[in-house]
Amino acid sequence: GDSVTQMEGPVTLSEEAFLTINCTYTATGYPSLFWYVQYPGEGLQLLLKATKADDKGSNKGFEATYRKETTSFHLEKGSVQVSDSAVYFCALSLIQGAQKLVFGQGTRLTINP
Amino acid sequence: DTAVSQTPKYLVTQMGNDKSIKCEQNLGHDTMYWYKQDSKKFLKIMFSYNNKELIINETVPNRFSPKSPDKAHLNLHINSLELGDSAVYFCASSPTGVITEAFFGQGTRLTVV
Repeated sequence: GDSVTQMEGPVTLSEEAFLTINCTYTATGYPSLFWYVQYPGEGLQLLLKATKADDKGSNKGFEATYRKETTSFHLEKGSVQVSDSAVYFCALSLIQGAQKLVFGQGTRLTINP
Repeated sequence: DTAVSQTPKYLVTQMGNDKSIKCEQNLGHDTMYWYKQDSKKFLKIMFSYNNKELIINETVPNRFSPKSPDKAHLNLHINSLELGDSAVYFCASSPTGVITEAFFGQGTRLTVV
């Protein structure tokens, strides 16, 4: 079935460090890919998305590129801030069939000052 | 003005009780969802409704019954609550037929004691 696998957390970094959170997917069709962020005590918010191969999604300094050949959508940020501390979810949504988001297991990120 | 609102935010109840969680969206979307987030932050879809019609039912026990009185509302009723039902439940909505972001509510933390 369709699935998303993220790197295990938690991830702890110092402020201004480079961030990578790995995400790979398995899908029978041609999915759209998303990164969602969940700040403490809140619901999920869309961070960025990409709808086809080689698209790059970007927002708030975060980037991710849809790589069909490696079935990946890794999240990167060049210089993280304390305010980036949150849980990050990679997700896919398929065009065919009933529309739903399939989430990875989430990666908790903590940024220390 | 909250786009997707859930009530209550917290719910503590005893085993065997029946409880409901309400969800409303003011985005004009046709599709609404319920997701369950367990203690390890893993998110899994439970139900999806499109224009008041059930589209997805992901092997959820019969004790869980969604109700959609109109396309702006999707309520979740749970009978005979069990300890394992303790989780955070998220309502979400999205436009139909368009692979785009889903908008999430703030979640309802259900604790069964």
